[in-house]
Amino acid sequence: AQSVAQPEDQVNVAEGNPLTVKCTYSVSGNPYLFWYVQYPNRGLQFLLKYITGDNLVKGSYGFEAEFNKSQTSFHLKKPSALVSDSALYFCAVRDFWGSSNTGKLIFGQGTTLQVKP
Amino acid sequence: EAGVTQFPSHSVIEKGQTVTLRCDPISGHDNLYWYRRVMGKEIKFLLHFVKESKQDESGMPNNRFLAERTGGTYSTLKVQPAELEDSGVYFCASSTRLDNGELFFGEGSRLTVL
Repeated sequence: AQSVAQPEDQVNVAEGNPLTVKCTYSVSGNPYLFWYVQYPNRGLQFLLKYITGDNLVKGSYGFEAEFNKSQTSFHLKKPSALVSDSALYFCAVRDFWGSSNTGKLIFGQGTTLQVKP
Repeated sequence: EAGVTQFPSHSVIEKGQTVTLRCDPISGHDNLYWYRRVMGKEIKFLLHFVKESKQDESGMPNNRFLAERTGGTYSTLKVQPAELEDSGVYFCASSTRLDNGELFFGEGSRLTVL
């Protein structure tokens, strides 16, 4: 069965510093990986996805994620954090039932990112 | 283009009462999903509609939960009778094609059962 783990409940970083939010996955076959962000009192917003191709994926708001097959990781990164990046971040993997694409996503527990001025 | 809308945004009910949550997906999106997040936990899949048909309801906790999607448009999720452990945030999401992967989420309906 597919699964996703986000080992950190919270990440604290100073504004202007680089940030990393960690995600590891366990899948059978090739993974379809996603990052979503939830700002306070808002719904989840899509940030980026990895399906195939370059291991470094660029997304919204200056975020990027690096797919590492050997380490089964898909860490979210940003070179310079902003206070407005403070939010709840979710990593997710597409669920496949055998070879069937069910369309649904399996989410991690979420990581709260706190960027301090 | 209007996004996914959910109603109510917050509902507080007593144990044993009934609550109905509504989701209006983005127009033209055949796929509609319900998810739930219990405090501090991961977002868990509940069920998936393709148009008006239930494609996958493997995540529904028990028979106190009933989801419908009338005419393949909006969807409702009824909890009857509600229990304390049903408290959480219920998210609805919609998408066009399965192979795209991007789901568009609503802002969620927070349910508090006292």
